[in-house]
Amino acid sequence: NAGVTQTPKFQVLKTGQSMTLQCAQDMNHNSMYWYRQDPGMGLRLIYYSASEGTTDKGEVPNGYNVSRLNKREFSLRLESAAPSQTSVYFCASNLLAGESYEQYFGPGTRLTVT
Amino acid sequence: KNEVEQSPQNLTAQEGEFITINCSYSVGISALHWLQQHPGGGIVSLFMLSSGKKKHGRLIATINIQEKHSSLHITASHPRDSAVYICAVSSPLFGNEKLTFGTGTRLTIIP
Repeated sequence: NAGVTQTPKFQVLKTGQSMTLQCAQDMNHNSMYWYRQDPGMGLRLIYYSASEGTTDKGEVPNGYNVSRLNKREFSLRLESAAPSQTSVYFCASNLLAGESYEQYFGPGTRLTVT
Repeated sequence: KNEVEQSPQNLTAQEGEFITINCSYSVGISALHWLQQHPGGGIVSLFMLSSGKKKHGRLIATINIQEKHSSLHITASHPRDSAVYICAVSSPLFGNEKLTFGTGTRLTIIP
């Protein structure tokens, strides 16, 4: 049982480049999340998916797109990276939409945009 | 905004000391979560509680719903407890499955 996995662990991009962060969970969870963590700020929700095929914007969605193609995987895409997107990105999952359950986090991706 | 406030921001203590980290929130909640972020960056959930008190090993979490306040206590602290402790709440205001996070308390335990 790997839990929540993320790839890559580290990435350096130049301004304007694109990339996709991958996330997968093997716990049969319905809800999945993408967060960013910046110094001095709490984790902030970028996008959320309550179930396969559904996605909702979170607090800071601008500059990002997501895709929930199946129950296991939830990807985050930066179409044209900007220095303001330098951050640590965490994927998380939760058993069920509509209820509060313990969230399980991936190991994070440290992204630097130059 | 700051629906979730933690104090202190930083805490340094000697090994063996009793540690208290506080969390106050301003919205009605369905649950409060305490998480631990290790120096390597990984985040793990410690507790989820909606009333009373929970205990796991040397960690104790309490919540007072009327006062909108929670505390995380660590007894007989150890250097391996050094981490960032994060308080988060889930609220029907934002959707129970979403968390609103505090900025964390950085705890350093000196041997």
